[in-house]
Amino acid sequence: DQQVKQNSPSLSVQEGRISILNCDYTNSMFDYFLWYKKYPAEGPTFLISISSIKDKNEDGRFTVFLNKSAKHLSLHIVPSQPGDSAVYFCAARLIQGAQKLVFGQGTRLTINP
Amino acid sequence: EAQVTQNPRYLITVTGKKLTVTCSQNMNHEYMSWYRQDPGLGLRQIYYSMNVEVTDKGDVPEGYKVSRKEKRNFPLILESPSPNQTSLYFCASSVGLGFEQYFGPGTRLTVT
Repeated sequence: DQQVKQNSPSLSVQEGRISILNCDYTNSMFDYFLWYKKYPAEGPTFLISISSIKDKNEDGRFTVFLNKSAKHLSLHIVPSQPGDSAVYFCAARLIQGAQKLVFGQGTRLTINP
Repeated sequence: EAQVTQNPRYLITVTGKKLTVTCSQNMNHEYMSWYRQDPGLGLRQIYYSMNVEVTDKGDVPEGYKVSRKEKRNFPLILESPSPNQTSLYFCASSVGLGFEQYFGPGTRLTVT
């Protein structure tokens, strides 16, 4: 039962354009969402987060949007740079019962020069 | 430097031979967790710990044990490893759940 889904295993974007990574969730009890970035042979690193009481959070080139009614969040990267090429994971926090983070499967983003 | 360290980074072992993967953090974080990453499945939580002597199961705890005797250390124990535990393992820590988690570099385990 995949409660957090990233339906696109990969995405290819031209340098300078906008990258949009999507994430869907099924559990309405998630209250906090995070995006992580992972390079090969390294652990994931935190990128940006958003509380369920907000619908947008921005940090430099990165913006996360949350649509609670659709149970959907997206990460926008503008403009995309070659160093953004990595695997991106979305994660959701569940605080009722077992307190844990649930991760999606990841999307591999490739930025082409 | 704030960091999470894991050892070993790479391990090849045989079925049934007990092993321990160590995890240590120097940020005085209360929350620690173990994940495994498998192709197409993303990161799945194995066990987590809210504080010393407080641990609980994640989504895939079968075949694993953990302990949290000190705040900084959170070892992952495989009492009798099996080939389906071949995976990439990550330890992580954070101030609390939902806050930015700091991940270790990963341990690639192969069980033959």
